[in-house]
Amino acid sequence: GQNIDQPTEMTATEGAIVQINCTYQTSGFNGLFWYQQHAGEAPTFLSYNVLDGLEEKGRFSSFLSRSKGYSYLLLKELQMKDSASYLCAVMDSNYQLIWGAGTKLIIKP
Amino acid sequence: IAGITQAPTSQILAAGRRMTLRCTQDMRHNAMYWYRQDLGLGLRLIHYSNTAGTTGKGEVPDGYSVSRANTDDFPLTLASAVPSQTSVYFCASSDAGLAGADTQYFGPGTRLTVL
Repeated sequence: GQNIDQPTEMTATEGAIVQINCTYQTSGFNGLFWYQQHAGEAPTFLSYNVLDGLEEKGRFSSFLSRSKGYSYLLLKELQMKDSASYLCAVMDSNYQLIWGAGTKLIIKP
Repeated sequence: IAGITQAPTSQILAAGRRMTLRCTQDMRHNAMYWYRQDLGLGLRLIHYSNTAGTTGKGEVPDGYSVSRANTDDFPLTLASAVPSQTSVYFCASSDAGLAGADTQYFGPGTRLTVL
């Protein structure tokens, strides 16, 4: 079967760095996406990785290792507005997105 | 530019009633999707459409139907609602077409409660 695993909840301090991990087992791979979802709102796109390595976008970076079936989202200089759920999704061989259940990130002052 | 709009924002529905959730996008994207999101579970694909005039079944299609008469609109119909269809429904679109990986953009969602 297809499976995306990510921690249910994480807590971090304002101004700090947090790493949210995602491991996956899917039938085929056409890229890995990270989305941010604030409570009661729609998911919004953060990053896309299809090749191994690190993609940096401002305070957010995303890493992919295809051989290990592993990705992480790194958030630096955390702000209170970063409190949200972070969704990992893999595009499979049929170009369908398989979604993890999301990691709820709580930022404390 | 509105992006993707969904209606209604929320709805309480009696079991057995028919309900259509509306979704409209103005980005001229080829592909559109319907997901449901339930607490503790990832987004699950209900139906999708790679291009106007075609539709396909996702992971959880039972009890739902869709149509794609034109590029912009992708309504989702519950023929006879059941309590297990209580969920938040998201419509999304992308420029992927028939084969391609591209970012999906989401509408604001419809919160549906079936009693």
